[in-house]
Amino acid sequence: DQQVKQNSPSLSVQEGRISILNCDYTNSMFDYFLWYKKYPAEGPTFLISISSIKDKNEDGRFTVFLNKSAKHLSLHIVPSQPGDSAVYFCAARGRLYNFNKFYFGSGTKLNVKP
Amino acid sequence: ETGVTQTPRHLVMGMTNKKSLKCEQHLGHNAMYWYKQSAKKPLELMFVYSLEERVENNSVPSRFSPECPNSSHLFLHLHTLQPEDSALYLCASSRNAGVSYEQYFGPGTRLTVT
Repeated sequence: DQQVKQNSPSLSVQEGRISILNCDYTNSMFDYFLWYKKYPAEGPTFLISISSIKDKNEDGRFTVFLNKSAKHLSLHIVPSQPGDSAVYFCAARGRLYNFNKFYFGSGTKLNVKP
Repeated sequence: ETGVTQTPRHLVMGMTNKKSLKCEQHLGHNAMYWYKQSAKKPLELMFVYSLEERVENNSVPSRFSPECPNSSHLFLHLHTLQPEDSALYLCASSRNAGVSYEQYFGPGTRLTVT
């Protein structure tokens, strides 16, 4: 059973606009969440993370929002740039739940059009 | 360049072959991971090594055999694989402790089993 889900396999956005990527999880014991970005022929690279004690974390153009009651997190990219076109994975881990294991979503492919 | 290297980048092998995948990290991390990524599926955790000790074996068939001789190197030995084992195999490393940490991924080995 997939504990982290990304229900949108793809997203297309115009350059300069906001990209919003969504992720849902089912396990209330998850306490740390990450977003990774993956270009073709490369491994995923870490983008931004958030602990469950926060509801927002910002790093430049990237902001992650966490809604614990809804078990939902989102990644906002503002403004979107063509170089942001990649597959984005969300991941979750529970310190008190299988500490070593990260659970990944299936990814959302973002296309930013010039 | 994430500090995690994998060789080979591409591998084609028959079902009766024996081959090995190699991963090396130059980040001083204490934990290393093997993941399998099949098309349109989430990353599947295969093995976790912490301080050279295997701490997670995620119900992986015995035709996959990991080896971690030291904290910088990780191998995945392959024998009598099946065509459904064709996938991208990703290695990752991370700091072993702390409230939060991210994983650094290598570029992956694209494996095709014929």
